[in-house]
Amino acid sequence: EVQLVESGGGLVQPGGSLRLSCAASGFTFSSYWMSWVRQAPGKGLEWVANIKQDGSEKDYVDSVKGRFTISRDNAKNSMNLQMNSLRAEDTAVYYCARTDYGKGFDIWGQGTMVTVSA
Amino acid sequence: EIVLTQSPGTLSLSPGERATLSCRASQSVSSYLAWYQQKPGQAPRLLIYGASSRATGIPDRFSGSGSGTDFTLTISRLEPEDFAVYYCQQYGSSPRTFGQGTKVEIK
Repeated sequence: EVQLVESGGGLVQPGGSLRLSCAASGFTFSSYWMSWVRQAPGKGLEWVANIKQDGSEKDYVDSVKGRFTISRDNAKNSMNLQMNSLRAEDTAVYYCARTDYGKGFDIWGQGTMVTVSA
Repeated sequence: EIVLTQSPGTLSLSPGERATLSCRASQSVSSYLAWYQQKPGQAPRLLIYGASSRATGIPDRFSGSGSGTDFTLTISRLEPEDFAVYYCQQYGSSPRTFGQGTKVEIK
C-alpha cells in the first residue's frame, strides 16, 4: 500500500523551531519529487516547498524562504521540513505529498498539526 | 504568481443533481491543472490531473475540461459522498498555487 505518514507537529512558541518528518512506503521514494503543503485552520491549501528526487533542487513559497529547509534521505525513504523562526501565521496542518510532475500531488499523508502560540 | 479563482464559493445542490465548478487562472497554465476533493478532517484527494484525466480509482461521474485559463470540474450526478470542498491547483509554474475552494453542500 502506498502510504505517507507525517510526524513531528506540536505546539511551539513564536520564534521557535520544529522539525517535521514524512515516512514513505509502498513506492520507489527516490523516483519522485516530494512536497509539503499546509492548511491553516478553516482555510485553503498552500504549497510550501518541494524537493527533487536526488535533493539537488529545492523550491519554497516566498513566505517561508530563509526560515524553512526541506530535505530528504532516500536510503530511509523519508523527507523532512526544518522550520525555524516560526510565526503565528505558520499555524496549520502540514501535509506531505508525493509530487508527480505530470499529475500534481497524487498521494497525501494524513497531516500533522503545527501550532505557533505563546 | 498565478492566481486561481474558483466559482462559486458555495454550491447548494441535491443528490442526483449535476455540479459544475469553475476555476479561472490569471495567466495560461496550459493543461497543468489538477482538481482535489477534501472532506472534513481528511487530506485532499487527487481527482483530475492534466485538466481532464481522472486519477486512479476516481468514478467516471467526475470529469474535467478546459485549457489555458478556464477550467471546469463537472460531477454528473451527485452522490452523498461527493459533498465536500473542491480545490483546483496549477502545477505548470512555481509557486504551485491553489484556488480558494468551492464547497458543494447538500441543499
